[in-house]
Amino acid sequence: GAGVSQSPRYKVAKRGQDVALRCDPISGHVSLFWYQQALGQGPEFLTYFQNEAQLDKSGLPSDRFFAERPEGSVSTLKIQRTQQEDSAVYLCASSLRAGHFDEKLFFGSGTQLSVL
Amino acid sequence: LAKTTQPISMDSYEGQEVNITCSHNNIATNDYITWYQQFPSQGPRFIIQGYKTKVTNEVASLFIPADRKSSTLSLPRVSLSDTAVYYCLVGGSGSARQLTFGSGTQLTVLP
Repeated sequence: GAGVSQSPRYKVAKRGQDVALRCDPISGHVSLFWYQQALGQGPEFLTYFQNEAQLDKSGLPSDRFFAERPEGSVSTLKIQRTQQEDSAVYLCASSLRAGHFDEKLFFGSGTQLSVL
Repeated sequence: LAKTTQPISMDSYEGQEVNITCSHNNIATNDYITWYQQFPSQGPRFIIQGYKTKVTNEVASLFIPADRKSSTLSLPRVSLSDTAVYYCLVGGSGSARQLTFGSGTQLTVLP
């Protein structure tokens, strides 16, 4: 595709519900990142994939957060038993090569999650 | 992790040159300095990247002194559409987690 696509654009969940957020990276991009951005703050790193391998999940805030990229392209970020503190914008980014963290990141527009 | 420090906000007028400085005292030898721009309801967008001295592209210039402990993003002749949050990132030689955005600088361009 022309850019990184994320869906849904907005998600409202009741506390305790499970949600799944989708990211379609730029075709051929090996690296994929998930970030969480709270209101008025910069993006915070969650996890990193190199193709289908999740090489770094040190930023996931709890075991309720789970991410996968089974075929090395589309990725899904799942949040189980959502809490109000999970309300944020979730950003996905991709880059062309593996392990070159000085490369330009291409971001999607994000999914704004609101937990009521 | 290389920590960055930027001003929280800056105001400017249309047509002026704007310089935003980022401090990164513990930058590693192989780290690059990258700047991103973010508009409301959008993801960050790459502006410019450099390692040392000066880099210029069609939208901005990046000045990096010899000690590399700081960098300055220069936006020539800003317009209202340059109102955004600007982030300085330092990294590339370590892990993915090292790419920390910080709180950024809110630039407001006034008419």
